[in-house]
Amino acid sequence: GEDVEQSLFLSVREGDSSVINCTYTDSSSTYLYWYKQEPGAGLQLLTYIFSNMDMKQDQRLTVLLNKKDKHLSLRIADTQTGDSAIYFCAETRGFQKLVFGTGTRLLVSP
Amino acid sequence: NAGVTQTPKFRVLKTGQSMTLLCAQDMNHEYMYWYRQDPGMGLRLIHYSVGEGTTAKGEVPDGYNVSRLKKQNFLLGLESAAPSQTSVYFCASSPTQGEGAFFGQGTRLTVV
Repeated sequence: GEDVEQSLFLSVREGDSSVINCTYTDSSSTYLYWYKQEPGAGLQLLTYIFSNMDMKQDQRLTVLLNKKDKHLSLRIADTQTGDSAIYFCAETRGFQKLVFGTGTRLLVSP
Repeated sequence: NAGVTQTPKFRVLKTGQSMTLLCAQDMNHEYMYWYRQDPGMGLRLIHYSVGEGTTAKGEVPDGYNVSRLKKQNFLLGLESAAPSQTSVYFCASSPTQGEGAFFGQGTRLTVV
């Protein structure tokens, strides 16, 4: 399909790990991104991964890339209530267009 | 350092009215984008620009026009607003393809 797909909702308890999944479309995407959106705000770049990498770790964040299945995931370790937000994956389509998924709303309960 | 600034932040239009949304960035970025965000649909690309004087269509360009006369500004125009254009509009800019995009705070537009 043409859409970058994400599950709509994820609920976890504080201290657990969260895993947010994304299926993208363009196998030639050079970079893949994860953004965070808090209520009433714009999007904030969290991390990105270059297409020749399988994994990238940045403090509590781990990005896994499976190019064969066009699958991207974001793992947040030791999830905190401040991590509650909408998370978007994005791909670069046609080397110029930055195309976003539908977003996953993460709810972290105490 | 202001980053990406969008004006106005809120606007209510009547059906058929026209308006222009302004996006300004002070980071000397080449790429600029306009998105709309609707519940359950994520962000959809309206138009984008890869440099001063250039524009290209995104996924949902109908009913919108854009201009990039100066590198730092990217204007989004609605010639004849329709209720289906009620949305939150985000502008973004990036230096190159690889470095990710910086977003403005959004413009909430309601067309009645």
